[in-house]
Amino acid sequence: NFVLTQPHSVSESPGKTVILSCTRSSGSIASNSVHWYLQRPGSSPTVVIYEDNRRPSGVPDRFSGSIDSSSNSASLTISGLQTEDEADYYCQSHDSSNHAVFGGGTQLTVL
Amino acid sequence: HVQLQESGPGLVRPAETLSLTCTVSSDSITDYFWTWIRQSPGKGLEWIAYFYDGWSSKYSPSLKNRATISFDTSTNQFSLTLTSVTAADAAVYYCARGTLTSYGYPFLDSWGQGTLVTVSS
Repeated sequence: NFVLTQPHSVSESPGKTVILSCTRSSGSIASNSVHWYLQRPGSSPTVVIYEDNRRPSGVPDRFSGSIDSSSNSASLTISGLQTEDEADYYCQSHDSSNHAVFGGGTQLTVL
Repeated sequence: HVQLQESGPGLVRPAETLSLTCTVSSDSITDYFWTWIRQSPGKGLEWIAYFYDGWSSKYSPSLKNRATISFDTSTNQFSLTLTSVTAADAAVYYCARGTLTSYGYPFLDSWGQGTLVTVSS
């Protein structure tokens, strides 16, 4: 099986752009879609990007996703950072047996 | 908009069996992947199991021998049982609905609020 590695924490200022990474340890990042979830303290996770780069209705277009085969990683880009974006972000994919795999999560601080 | 609500005992003794239920407000059982996920205190998300296609299931390899997921269509509830619990099973347990993508794998588009399970004698 593979591991999805995310930086433990990232900080950025309001109004700036931040890129959160999710690196797959083995196998191609492109072999299965990557999804991203946001979790605010005390709340359930909610999806912000699915299928690598698709945005659910209601999610601002400040959120975008991509994958990069050269680095075998997925990225979540948040532009025009707002204090409400402060949360934990998790990437998720599947292995070839349809077992879901979550990354360890990145704590985003907006200050 | 579907709603999911977990329910369970809150406290389970070591070595006993944990049973949780998720009530789904609406939906066709066969169109989605009904999912359990847990989150240990201060930790990340851990996928436990899927129930899909009305009868199929998938389990995390690390929990496969102890977990069972099922769906009761008469009550529109799906359940998780976890046998032989230890302190390591203490967590917030979430139920969620998975929607299939064009890749053939689901993403979790609706989540319950979670239920805290403590393991203690």
